[in-house]
Amino acid sequence: KAGVTQTPRYLIKTRGQQVTLSCSPISGHRSVSWYQQTPGQGLQFLFEYFSETQRNKGNFPGRFSGRQFSNSRSEMNVSTLELGDSALYLCASGSGSNTGELFFGEGSRLTVL
Amino acid sequence: GENVEQHPSTLSVQEGDSAVIKCTYSDSASNYFPWYKQELGKRPQLIIDIRSNVGEKKDQRIAVTLNKTAKHFSLHITETQPEDSAVYFCGGLKSGSEKLVFGKGTKLTVNP
Repeated sequence: KAGVTQTPRYLIKTRGQQVTLSCSPISGHRSVSWYQQTPGQGLQFLFEYFSETQRNKGNFPGRFSGRQFSNSRSEMNVSTLELGDSALYLCASGSGSNTGELFFGEGSRLTVL
Repeated sequence: GENVEQHPSTLSVQEGDSAVIKCTYSDSASNYFPWYKQELGKRPQLIIDIRSNVGEKKDQRIAVTLNKTAKHFSLHITETQPEDSAVYFCGGLKSGSEKLVFGKGTKLTVNP
């Protein structure tokens, strides 16, 4: 079956702009988690969605938001971009049944100039 | 909330040697501990995991051990090969939660 698909793979924005990233989980998976990856900081948890509801949230400012649709596809949005938002944003798909195993997408690499 | 500390941040070994990466977690309610391998430019991929009702798990050259009392777990790679070179992340998941928290990663280099 198809894996986790993230779009776009690469994008460049300028400070103050906003960006929307998309993630399609593995078919049948209902949980989508988002992570920010930067050098030296590892994988930092942003939020997790299950059945269109945000179940968990990390320690990021309100400029970071997300949502999940009825088909389990998820989007995350970052408003008023800052230079420090440059990172690889990874989406992870899970069954949502607390088995724990996550399957990652290739990520969306955001560069803020 | 859960916090996972990982050491060392970098590790260099000679081919054929063993490598050990250690992680500690803060929340005693955590019950699932995966290890992910991320090769350069690629996505993280699960290589092994362990649940809190097990003390050790092996899969060929890799093994993970868990000490619940001390709240730490370790990844052991034996007979390392150059293709083992990657960044390894440990994670912790609290029972009843889907919030998987990761350590900051260990960059493993296996020198031929």
